[in-house]
Amino acid sequence: SQQGEEDPQALSIQEGENATMNCSYKTSINNLQWYRQNSGRGLVHLILIRSNEREKHSGRLRVTLDTSKKSSSLLITASRAADTASYFCATGGNAGGTSYGKLTFGQGTILTVHP
Amino acid sequence: EPEVTQTPSHQVTQMGQEVILRCVPISNHLYFYWYRQILGQKVEFLVSFYNNEISEKSEIFDDQFSVERPDGSNFTLKIRSTKLEDSAMYFCASSGIRHSFWTQYFGPGTRLLVL
Repeated sequence: SQQGEEDPQALSIQEGENATMNCSYKTSINNLQWYRQNSGRGLVHLILIRSNEREKHSGRLRVTLDTSKKSSSLLITASRAADTASYFCATGGNAGGTSYGKLTFGQGTILTVHP
Repeated sequence: EPEVTQTPSHQVTQMGQEVILRCVPISNHLYFYWYRQILGQKVEFLVSFYNNEISEKSEIFDDQFSVERPDGSNFTLKIRSTKLEDSAMYFCASSGIRHSFWTQYFGPGTRLLVL
């Protein structure tokens, strides 16, 4: 089974529009995070939401987490061309609390924002 | 702002050769990680390291791989005898002052090509 699957795989929008990306996972988690990766570069941490939180905001980013559905969404409001990148969700932790920082990444959503 | 650095940025090696990938984590961080990303695929966890020992490792991290923190600032990944399938981008990450080890900061990566 796959942990951390995003959809859509690719999203193309115009500048100023909102972008929504979804992530589903299979097992219990301690937290879920979103990272951005510009083409061929490193991963940049965007936001972390804990399993006991339902929503979190950071600037133009809004993340929701529904642990009953094992899903999360990332909303980027008023998108800019500079938001063009791949976005990954990553889950951390397990029910037993025996994981020491291992993140499990999804396949990612490629977001293209057209000027 | 402090950042994780990695050297080299690119490495080409012959199959069977040993390679050492180097990372300088963020100062004062306590937890260190290696991940890899095969072209077009997910970012995969390799190993986590804390208090001078491996905390957790994946199935990928077999006897051909080893990690070391030789001098209190560097964190290295050694692949003893490289295989073609080791070709990937390797990311180092660090986290954790006190108990916040879940928010990981990634380096820019080393692109390894095994011929």
